[in-house]
Amino acid sequence: DQQVKQNSPSLSVQEGRISILNCDYTNSMFDYFLWYKKYPAEGPTFLISISSIKDKNEDGRFTVFLNKSAKHLSLHIVPSQPGDSAVYFCAASAYTHNDMRFGAGTRLTVKP
Amino acid sequence: DAGVIQSPRHEVTEMGQEVTLRCKPISGHDYLFWYRQTMMRGLELLIYFNNNVPIDDSGMPEDRFSAKMPNASFSTLKIQPSEPRDSAVYFCASRSGTSGGYNEQFFGPGTRLTVL
Repeated sequence: DQQVKQNSPSLSVQEGRISILNCDYTNSMFDYFLWYKKYPAEGPTFLISISSIKDKNEDGRFTVFLNKSAKHLSLHIVPSQPGDSAVYFCAASAYTHNDMRFGAGTRLTVKP
Repeated sequence: DAGVIQSPRHEVTEMGQEVTLRCKPISGHDYLFWYRQTMMRGLELLIYFNNNVPIDDSGMPEDRFSAKMPNASFSTLKIQPSEPRDSAVYFCASRSGTSGGYNEQFFGPGTRLTVL
């Protein structure tokens, strides 16, 4: 039961360009969404989040957009840097916000 | 703070053996989570504790899995007996209950378990 889906397993972009990672969800009760970044041999680290009362949240080079009607969110990284190369997980939660559901992840490669 | 600490980082065992994974959450965090990451199922929540009490264990796959949190600074995930399909990376995470109710969990580095 994949309630959170990341349909692109990988993405490759050139340094300095924009990276757009996409995520879809099926559970309309989700009201909080997060992006985590994961480097090899490390645990996921929190990157940015958005509440369902907003449609955009920005933090430096990272912006998350939420389209509730389409049950879709995206993470924009601009400009992309080689250090951004990692696996990015989309996650969503509802109610108590403890039962967090993760997508399968998208491996981003930023080429110098 | 040292972050969430997990041990061991790698564990190789034989089928049928007991495996115990350990976690020390961030000091002051009152929620602790155990996750499992596999290629097939991705990152899935197994169980979580609040103030050392198990709240939701619906993600625990079988009775062979058990988790305890005897105090605020220590938790274990035990698999007995272990099977090859238990091979995965197991993550522990913690968060503060005062973070506005929102779910910014802090993850440990994970334990890579291989059951032969």
